[in-house]
Amino acid sequence: AQTVTQSQPEMSVQEAETVTLSCTYDTSESDYYLFWYKQPPSRQMILVIRQEAYKQQNATENRFSVNFQKAAKSFSLKISDSQLGDAAMYFCAYISLFGNEKLTFGTGTRLTIIP
Amino acid sequence: GAVVSQHPSRVICKSGTSVKIECRSLDFQATTMFWYRQFPKQSLMLMATSNEGSKATYEQGVEKDKFLINHASLTLSTLTVTSAHPEDSSFYICSAQGGRDEKLFFGSGTQLSVL
Repeated sequence: AQTVTQSQPEMSVQEAETVTLSCTYDTSESDYYLFWYKQPPSRQMILVIRQEAYKQQNATENRFSVNFQKAAKSFSLKISDSQLGDAAMYFCAYISLFGNEKLTFGTGTRLTIIP
Repeated sequence: GAVVSQHPSRVICKSGTSVKIECRSLDFQATTMFWYRQFPKQSLMLMATSNEGSKATYEQGVEKDKFLINHASLTLSTLTVTSAHPEDSSFYICSAQGGRDEKLFFGSGTQLSVL
């Protein structure tokens, strides 16, 4: 079974600074997607960024970028120029392209932005 | 973008009653819908996967007779918590997969409190 691990329960960063959230996963498959979701206090799940495993290039979305290391099964999220609105729970997630396509979530990292 | 509507957002009920939660995809046909449960400060745990016109597939440990899922159309799935008890109190979130590129979209969640 696939597992997703987020080893940082909480992180904090000064406003306008850069922070990196860690995620590792375990799978025997070669084709899959990885995601970072944001869950603000409203609890609405918001997709931040998506990475296809077959792509070597790291995905970027404005201030958000990932460092995808397929061999190491690592998928970290970098938030640049942190803003107060970035404060939220961040969940790393994995989905296989084959078989039972269920989204598996990590345990989450609570990000606090310090004004 | 695609929208998934979940209703109600909050429900308080007495122990022993049943509660129905609706999940609708508003502008796309959802081939698959998922139901998650989230306890405070924890990650999302998949309860079941439903495909239109067929029986839902429940995750291990989830009682199918207690959590009834109906996916009657390509735009509507319902979760009914039958004979609710205080331990069923939780945040329930649905997600729908569909649209042109089969992306996953989340509802805004339902906070269930059983007295």
